[in-house]
Amino acid sequence: EAGVAQSPRYKIIEKRQSVAFWCNPISGHATLYWYQQILGQGPKLLIQFQNNGVVDDSQLPKDRFSAERLKGVDSTLKIQPAKLEDSAVYLCASSMDTLNIQYFGAGTRLSVL
Amino acid sequence: GQQLNQSPQSMFIQEGEDVSMNCTSSSIFNTWLWYKQDPGEGPVLLIALYKAGELTSNGRLTAQFGITRKDSFLNISASIPSDVGIYFCAGANAGGTSYGKLTFGQGTILTVHP
Repeated sequence: EAGVAQSPRYKIIEKRQSVAFWCNPISGHATLYWYQQILGQGPKLLIQFQNNGVVDDSQLPKDRFSAERLKGVDSTLKIQPAKLEDSAVYLCASSMDTLNIQYFGAGTRLSVL
Repeated sequence: GQQLNQSPQSMFIQEGEDVSMNCTSSSIFNTWLWYKQDPGEGPVLLIALYKAGELTSNGRLTAQFGITRKDSFLNISASIPSDVGIYFCAGANAGGTSYGKLTFGQGTILTVHP
């Protein structure tokens, strides 16, 4: 079974530029999550989708971050414009069942200069 | 909001030693999960706990769900070099709008010397 796919693996941009990350969840997983992991910390949930609807985006900085999950499968997370403090690993995870078992992708490491 | 505190923050041990780490919360959870993260990779699930007092093993790993539902611990027996990594605890409360939302601890960095 293929895992959660994310791209790109690395991205370096200058502040005020825009960036987008892509995630393809495990086939059949209805729930998709985007996390931000700052160096030395645990992942922090940004947004949760159930199929193509948003379940929780309370921690998403909506003035600069946006996410969509068209057709309830792939998802993109966008930052526009980026700030220095956005430097982090952005993890995508998906789950199928009600037991909170989330499977993570390898993440995209973003460096904002 | 909910806070998870993991301890210790880091551990340096010799191969073959046993390891113990724990996680405490200011709030109750009905699910506790332990993940391991290798450099450049996403977290991988090690053990899932769903019931207060539950003790679950996965090979050399054993984890327990505290009876107060505010804590959990993870033990690794007879450590080997590939145990190196960052171990995260995560708590969740299934049901309602918090379905599936995990709150992570800050991680325990484990180093194993051969």
